[in-house]
Amino acid sequence: DSGVTQTPKHLITATGQRVTLRCSPRSGDLSVYWYQQSLDQGLQFLIQYYNGEERAKGNILERFSAQQFPDLHSELNLSSLELGDSALYFCASSPRPGLAGRVGELFFGEGSRLTVL
Amino acid sequence: SQQGEEDPQALSIQEGENATMNCSYKTSINNLQWYRQNSGRGLVHLILIRSNEREKHSGRLRVTLDTSKKSSSLLITASRAADTASYFCATDKEDYKLSFGAGTTVTVRA
Repeated sequence: DSGVTQTPKHLITATGQRVTLRCSPRSGDLSVYWYQQSLDQGLQFLIQYYNGEERAKGNILERFSAQQFPDLHSELNLSSLELGDSALYFCASSPRPGLAGRVGELFFGEGSRLTVL
Repeated sequence: SQQGEEDPQALSIQEGENATMNCSYKTSINNLQWYRQNSGRGLVHLILIRSNEREKHSGRLRVTLDTSKKSSSLLITASRAADTASYFCATDKEDYKLSFGAGTTVTVRA
């Protein structure tokens, strides 16, 4: 058990809909990372937050947005869903960015599996 | 685009044998990490090697890093059925981002 909690574990929805994925990081971890894993794209970095502030952005679509709240939990919002958005969405946390923004060990949740029909 | 590329894509070995997989990357890095993922589960951190280190051990794992060749290798010795998983290398080529390769799928046969 990594200590990172993601909900829901599974989600089935229709094209055009909007969903929210939730992540609770390990106790004390200030950084949250979101990744998308699909068969054709592999593990893609989406976005990272540190103590409520966005720190880095990756291949995140404009239809997707995220935020980190004062209690450090994070939510990933996916809207106008398309079939291609079907994937495993992972949240990971770490204590803090290292020197010069180096990324240390990440602790991953078990993921939210999104199926868009 | 992915920074790291693992080789081979898949590996099948007998229990007790060693498994070796390689990772190549394109730009200079601060550190390189290896993760394991059991089917459909979350990734688990295995080992981190810094750019100024050449070799690191953790239990049955041995990682090497050659920054001149921009490559790393992960060796699992005396493999067990429980080692069946996908293995990913990850690099922090850009600040605050950890980029993963496509992974090597390892199957350990009993």
